[in-house]
Amino acid sequence: ETGVTQSPTHLIKTRGQQVTLRCSSQSGHNTVSWYQQALGQGPQFIFQYYREEENGRGNFPPRFSGLQFPNYSSELNVNALELDDSALYLCASSLVGVNYGYTFGSGTRLTVV
Amino acid sequence: AQSVTQLDSQVPVFEEAPVELRCNYSSSVSVYLFWYVQYPNQGLQLLLKYLSGSTLVKGINGFEAEFNKSQTSFHLRKPSVHISDTAEYFCAVSNFGNEKLTFGTGTRLTIIP
Repeated sequence: ETGVTQSPTHLIKTRGQQVTLRCSSQSGHNTVSWYQQALGQGPQFIFQYYREEENGRGNFPPRFSGLQFPNYSSELNVNALELDDSALYLCASSLVGVNYGYTFGSGTRLTVV
Repeated sequence: AQSVTQLDSQVPVFEEAPVELRCNYSSSVSVYLFWYVQYPNQGLQLLLKYLSGSTLVKGINGFEAEFNKSQTSFHLRKPSVHISDTAEYFCAVSNFGNEKLTFGTGTRLTIIP
């Protein structure tokens, strides 16, 4: 079985720009969650998607948005980038009904300058 | 609201010695508990999880953890560590019916040869 694939692995953006991060779920998984991990911190829940709809959101502003596609892949979009958005963004996929069988990707390292 | 406290930010241990990484949680409702490991430049890998049943949970790589409801703790243990165990370890909690994971700030385990 394939794991979770995230792209790109590294990205540098300028403050005020927009960015799109991509995630391919593990085969057979129908739910995807996104987490932000700042340097030296634990991951923070951004949101989760199930059946192409947002299914829970953490304390992140609306400029953080997402999409889930029919093939269960997903995008995380961040508008009006701020310096504090610099972090490792992790995608995790799972299958509803399987207790917390999350598979995490290796992440996208975003640097905002 | 739920929260996780990892009491030690760094733990140095000699190779082949035992180790305990401490985790305490706070939640007003019943919880699921997890330990994840993160190797440098990688995503998160599930070590073990407690959902219900026996309070002693065994995971991969020889790790185990014990759920203590009265002390709201879920400490991770290994009887004999190896150089390959050098990594960041995260404790996480989730409430029943809510698949959002709340992570602690992590414990960096360093194995001394």
